[in-house]
Amino acid sequence: DMKVTQMPRYLIKRMGENVLLECGQDMSHETMYWYRQDPGLGLQLIYISYDVDSNSEGDIPKGYRVSRKKREHFSLILDSAKTNQTSVYFCASSSRDRGRDTQYFGPGTRLLVL
Amino acid sequence: GEQVEQLPSSLIVQEGASVLINCSYTDSASVYFPWYKQEPGKRLQFIIDIRSNMERKQNQRLTLLFDKKTKHLSLHITATQPGDSAIYFCSAFDRGSALGRLHFGAGTQLIVIP
Repeated sequence: DMKVTQMPRYLIKRMGENVLLECGQDMSHETMYWYRQDPGLGLQLIYISYDVDSNSEGDIPKGYRVSRKKREHFSLILDSAKTNQTSVYFCASSSRDRGRDTQYFGPGTRLLVL
Repeated sequence: GEQVEQLPSSLIVQEGASVLINCSYTDSASVYFPWYKQEPGKRLQFIIDIRSNMERKQNQRLTLLFDKKTKHLSLHITATQPGDSAIYFCSAFDRGSALGRLHFGAGTQLIVIP
């Protein structure tokens, strides 16, 4: 069963603390993504990873960094979290198959920064 | 870069009604258009897609129409059920960059009243 997992599912942090969000997939997909979802804004792309150690900024990378040391895992790091980083974060993975780019999403992590 | 817009932003219908969700994009380099559904508190799930060399695609109660000339798509859902209540996202696959990425609309919230 194809699966994208995220940990933790819920997180409360204080402003200035570091945050680590983890994502895993069992489909050997090359490409992985981190998005944040805010009401009325849809999904905003933070980072794309095309494979191990091959990462590119998305539309809103400021305040975030990523790490991909294994194809199955993709981490999102917030160094010194800010209150405006309160959001729901989704990880996704995809494989380019005959020109299609169907993305499989994780269940999301709800982050509250106080 | 690519901009994807969806209208309306929300819809409330009675069970059994048909609905139409409109989506427009700006970049003629976009070639693939997957749609996703997000039920309350859940992950995004792929529901239907269309490529730029097609005009119409149907999957059970979903029909997706594509007009390349006007850069417009519309998702038609017939015989709606309460289980169709969700946010629907249109997206466009941008082949403009070397490896491409998906651009998402802001979503259409559909509420189906029993």
